[in-house]
Amino acid sequence: GQSLEQPSEVTAVEGAIVQINCTYQTSGFYGLSWYQQHDGGAPTFLSYNALDGLEETGRFSSFLSRSDSYGYLLLQELQMKDSASYFCAVRASTGRRALTFGSGTRLQVQP
Amino acid sequence: DTEVTQTPKHLVMGMTNKKSLKCEQHMGHRAMYWYKQKAKKPPELMFVYSYEKLSINESVPSRFSPECPNSSLLNLHLHALQPEDSALYLCASSQDGEKTQYFGPGTRLLVL
Repeated sequence: GQSLEQPSEVTAVEGAIVQINCTYQTSGFYGLSWYQQHDGGAPTFLSYNALDGLEETGRFSSFLSRSDSYGYLLLQELQMKDSASYFCAVRASTGRRALTFGSGTRLQVQP
Repeated sequence: DTEVTQTPKHLVMGMTNKKSLKCEQHMGHRAMYWYKQKAKKPPELMFVYSYEKLSINESVPSRFSPECPNSSLLNLHLHALQPEDSALYLCASSQDGEKTQYFGPGTRLLVL
């Protein structure tokens, strides 16, 4: 089976840096994705890591360690609009072309 | 065009009604998905269509019936739903092996 663990809530202030961790257990592994979802909105794709290391896209970076079954999303220079839920997701196995989502981390950015 | 559209945005139905949710994408994606999402929970996969064929059914009750008329359209037919089926129903599409999924805005369904 597959399981992903994330913290349920994180609070930070504007301008700060926050890291949202994700650990996963899967029978196979292809890559780790991150999605952002604002209240009342749809999930939107943020980043994807298939190989170990850091991927940077503007203020957001994502890291993967395959040997540790661990990844994180790093958000820098936090803005109020970053308040949202963040989900890690994996496509876990051959023949199953679908994503399994973590339970989500609700990020609250305070002034 | 990186948009997935869904109609209707909101739907209220009784337990004896029959209704359909519609999803459309014009990105040429060959995989399309239905998810169900309850408040403060992650999206929960229901169905996957790959090249217009149903490839995954996550043991969804038969009161939900998916249909893929062509590569751009995905429907979800609803019949005899229960109040616990009230949720946000999200459609998504993908081309690159699920690395990137594009989600529609969802249909917020209330079953009375």
